[in-house]
Order: sequence, then structure tokens, then C-alpha cells
Amino acid sequence: AQKVTQAQTEISVVEKEDVTLDCVYETRDTTYYLFWYKQPPSGELVFLIRRNSFDEQNEISGRYSWNFQKSTSSFNFTITASQVVDSAVYFCALSEAQAAGNKLTFGGGTRVLVKP
Amino acid sequence: SAVISQKPSRDICQRGTSLTIQCQVDSQVTMMFWYRQQPGQSLTLIATANQGSEATYESGFVIDKFPISRPNLTFSTLTVSNMSPEDSSIYLCSAEMGAGPRRTDTQYFGPGTRLTVL
Repeated sequence: AQKVTQAQTEISVVEKEDVTLDCVYETRDTTYYLFWYKQPPSGELVFLIRRNSFDEQNEISGRYSWNFQKSTSSFNFTITASQVVDSAVYFCALSEAQAAGNKLTFGGGTRVLVKP
Repeated sequence: SAVISQKPSRDICQRGTSLTIQCQVDSQVTMMFWYRQQPGQSLTLIATANQGSEATYESGFVIDKFPISRPNLTFSTLTVSNMSPEDSSIYLCSAEMGAGPRRTDTQYFGPGTRLTVL
């Protein structure tokens, strides 16, 4: 069975600090996808990134960067120079690639509070 | 990405009644999903709804309580039946973008329906 663990339930930082969100996953499959979603206070879930299990390259998108390490089953997310608008709950998720639809298993989420 | 809308955005319902939530996607998709997010919790998959077949429910969720329709490639409904206060949650639909061989394996989410049951 799949499992996603986000050990940090809440992180509080001051604006312009960097913040790293940890995500550790478990799966028996060799082919799978990893995702990060952002849920701002308004409640909608915003897709940030998808990474497949064969692509261990790190990725940077603006102030966001992701570090995928298969050896430690981790997919960590860093926000550089945080801003108040980054305040949200961030979810890491895992899906096993299936023809019948890729069901997502979510971690418990990490609430990020960026103070001005 | 795609635009996914849900109606209603929020509702307050009485115990014992039912509510149907609509989910509309602005493009054709094969896979649609319904999730529940209880207060302060993460998301839990209720069921997968593929067009032309019966919905597939996850452990702990049953069709009598959460009937789902999927009449075409852009629309789905979830009904929360015989509601109790424990059903108070955010209900989110999602869609895996693309249909058939164009499926992208990435789910995008609707804005959610905030349900409060008194």
C-alpha cells in the first residue's frame, strides 16, 4: 500500500526566509508519480509539480525548487525568499501509474505561515 | 491545465437530507475523481468516476451513501445522502487532464464544496 508522510505539521517563518517542506513516501511500484499541491486559505487545491519515478533531476521554478531522492524515498520542496502569499497548506501526493486512473494518496499536509 | 467548476461552493444542510454536488470540466476528460477533506485533515479519495462505467469506490465509502453520476466526458455529480454532522467536510472533484491516449496523469482540482450539516 502507498503511504506519504509529511512530518512537519506547521512551519512558521518570517518573510524572506527560506523554508523546506519534507515528504517521504512508500510504494512497492517501480513506476509512480509524485506531486506537490498548494491549498491557500481560500481552499482550492493548486497543482505545483509532477515528477515521475524515472526522473530524479531536481527542478527549479522561480522561488520554488524540488529535490527528488529515490534512494531515500523523499521529494522535498523548498520555497526561497518566502513571501506572505506563500502562506498555505502544502500537500505532497503519490500515485501509482495505472491505466484505470492514477489515484492520489496524500500526505497529511504542512501548514506554512509566512509572517511579514 | 483546465478550468474545473463546482456547484454549490458551499451549503448548510439539515441532518437527514441529501445534497448533490456538480462538477464541470471545460474539456473532455476520461478520469474524474471525488475527494473528501474533513476539517483540518488531508484529502481522502471517495471514488473514481470514469465515463461509461460505474464509479469505483474506495474502502469505507459506499454507493448508497455517495452515489455518483458521470453522464459524459465533462461532467460528474456526487450526492451525499442522508447527511449527518459527520459529513461536514469540503468535497473536491478532480480530473486527470486529457482523454484516452491524451491523458496526462496529472489531476487538477475544482474549488471545492464546503458542506456543513446541522
